[in-house]
Amino acid sequence: NAGVTQTPKFQVLKTGQSMTLQCAQDMNHEYMSWYRQDPGMGLRLIHYSVGAGITDQGEVPNGYNVSRSTTEDFPLRLLSAAPSQTSVYFCASSYRSRGPNTEAFFGQGTRLTVV
Amino acid sequence: GENVEQHPSTLSVQEGDSAVIKCTYSDSASNYFPWYKQELGKGPQLIIDIRSNVGEKKDQRIAVTLNKTAKHFSLHITETQPEDSAVYFCAAKPFSGNTGKLIFGQGTTLQVKP
Repeated sequence: NAGVTQTPKFQVLKTGQSMTLQCAQDMNHEYMSWYRQDPGMGLRLIHYSVGAGITDQGEVPNGYNVSRSTTEDFPLRLLSAAPSQTSVYFCASSYRSRGPNTEAFFGQGTRLTVV
Repeated sequence: GENVEQHPSTLSVQEGDSAVIKCTYSDSASNYFPWYKQELGKGPQLIIDIRSNVGEKKDQRIAVTLNKTAKHFSLHITETQPEDSAVYFCAAKPFSGNTGKLIFGQGTTLQVKP
């Protein structure tokens, strides 16, 4: 199993450009999430999905779109990049359990710089 | 809204000493509290977790304690080693219909000096 795969690993964008960060998992997990990591602010939830066709907003959704057409893929779209979106982005997935335990498996991250 | 506060932001210890990281959460209905370790250039990885119906859990040199009344939980690392140096995140799972959603703390950078 590859686990959670994110592409690209690094990206530089100009202000106003759009792009899609890719995330794929091969563990048949129902739940997938996107987080951004900024110094001193931890991991903040952008969007999440509980299954194909279902998405919802997290703490910091503005400027980002997501869709979940398959169980495996959960792309994150930046519509019009801004310098404030310079960050490290992590995708995570977890299985749906009967109880509260829900280990999240993270990708290696995408380091995005907007100039 | 749901919030998790984590302290300290940085922690430096001598090899062999103990390290303690503390977190508080706002949602009293939170029912699951994992801890993640992030090594340089990598994604976070789960190291230990605790459910809301348990007060303490141990795994070799790592332990987590939970005080539901005070809404805080802590990570204890004993006999620290240089390979324990990393960023540690606490998290809380809100009781929101089992969505897999986690709210993370701000992170603690632990440095273990040889």
